[in-house]
Amino acid sequence: GAVVSQHPSWVICKSGTSVKIECRSLDFQATTMFWYRQFPKQSLMLMATSNEGSKATYEQGVEKDKFLINHASLTLSTLTVTSAHPEDSSFYICSGRQTEAFFGQGTRLTVV
Amino acid sequence: EDQVTQSPEALRLQEGESSSLNCSYTVSGLRGLFWYRQDPGKGPEFLFTLYSAGEEKEKERLKATLTKKESFLHITAPKPEDSATYLCAVFYGQNFVFGPGTRLSVLP
Repeated sequence: GAVVSQHPSWVICKSGTSVKIECRSLDFQATTMFWYRQFPKQSLMLMATSNEGSKATYEQGVEKDKFLINHASLTLSTLTVTSAHPEDSSFYICSGRQTEAFFGQGTRLTVV
Repeated sequence: EDQVTQSPEALRLQEGESSSLNCSYTVSGLRGLFWYRQDPGKGPEFLFTLYSAGEEKEKERLKATLTKKESFLHITAPKPEDSATYLCAVFYGQNFVFGPGTRLSVLP
C-alpha cells in the first residue's frame, strides 16, 4: 500500500511559538493531501484539504491564519501551527488519499 | 442529517470470544466505506474498503460486511494483539467522514 511519512512524531513547544509538521508521500504523487486533528478518545476531524500548487481548503471553524498549509510539491505538504497555545495541543494526522486513505504516523503536539 | 455512528463505544472480550462491531451511516450517495485500526499514539492503519451492499472482505481474523445502512466488522477468535480502536469512515460526494470508533480490548 501507499506510504505516507509524517514528521515529527511528537513535539513540545512553548506557548506563542510556531511548529511545522511535514507529511510526505513516499511512493506516490499526491495532488491532494488531508490534515486531521484528533483529541483523546475522539475520532479524526478533518481540518483542511491541501492542494498542490494552490491554496488549501479549510473546514468550517478552522482558522486558516493559525493553521498554515503549504503543498509546494507532489510529495510534500506541511502544516504550521502558528502562535501555538495550550488548546492547540492535540494529535495531528495527515493522509494521502488514493483509492483508500493512507495515513501518516501522526504528530503529538504539546504546547506548554 | 448525514451521520456516521459506531457501536459499541467500547468492547471488552476474552481471548477467543468472537464478536462484531457496528458502523451505521445515514448518507446519500455512498462511494465507499472504510475500516481502520488505530493503536494509541499512531495514525490509522487501513484494513478494508467496501463499495456496495452485499460485499464482504476478510483478512486474518477480521471480516467486514456491508448493507445499505450499516457495516459490520466481525472478529473471530480475537487475540490480545487485536486490541485497538477500530474506526469506520464513509466516503460520499466529496466528503470523507469518520465514525467515533470502537475501543476493543481483548483480555488473555
